[in-house]
Amino acid sequence: KNEVEQSPQNLTAQEGEFITINCSYSVGISALHWLQQHPGGGIVSLFMLSSGKKKHGRLIATINIQEKHSSLHITASHPRDSAVYICAVRSHMNRDDKIIFGKGTRLHILP
Amino acid sequence: DADVTQTPRNRITKTGKRIMLECSQTKGHDRMYWYRQDPGLGLRLIYYSFDVKDINKGEISDGYSVSRQAQAKFSLSLESAIPNQTALYFCATSDPRYRDRARNEQFFGPGTRLTVL
Repeated sequence: KNEVEQSPQNLTAQEGEFITINCSYSVGISALHWLQQHPGGGIVSLFMLSSGKKKHGRLIATINIQEKHSSLHITASHPRDSAVYICAVRSHMNRDDKIIFGKGTRLHILP
Repeated sequence: DADVTQTPRNRITKTGKRIMLECSQTKGHDRMYWYRQDPGLGLRLIYYSFDVKDINKGEISDGYSVSRQAQAKFSLSLESAIPNQTALYFCATSDPRYRDRARNEQFFGPGTRLTVL
């Protein structure tokens, strides 16, 4: 079983819909990252959080440490939100500060 | 200008050839990483370096070697490329100098698409 599981793997939605992408993990963590990978391949960091909730524009990220679960929400989705969204956790198991990546959720927003 | 750059951006090579991927950063970060990404798989760590004299193997280091020429430069080499090394390769940097380790964010380069025929 992967240490970081994302769902769904693929998601197609109409412009304007509210989007939720889920991430569950099985290891102890010091932080969780949400990354966005554009169709061209570049990766940018959206959020880094260790508790609670963060909001940036139309994006909201939440984390429940007790349940080992995080969600990324997109409100009023737009075709430009089409990308792969990657959940990654920073394990605090050792000094190496290991990051474990999920396989990503491919989001396609239709105009 | 981009803070983390990778060269080349695309490369097609043949089995058995030696190839080097280069990464440079202007962020002044001590930590640098090389990952590969394959379709349907998450990013996997190849090698990482905490400073010029500290280089460590990641989970999939076989067939790869690295060189940390300076704080700003971290190169990945494939001594004898094989087709299953066809992938998208990412360099990343981070700076651990935060009291709150949760702020230790990684910054990614644009990626190098490597095809081994």
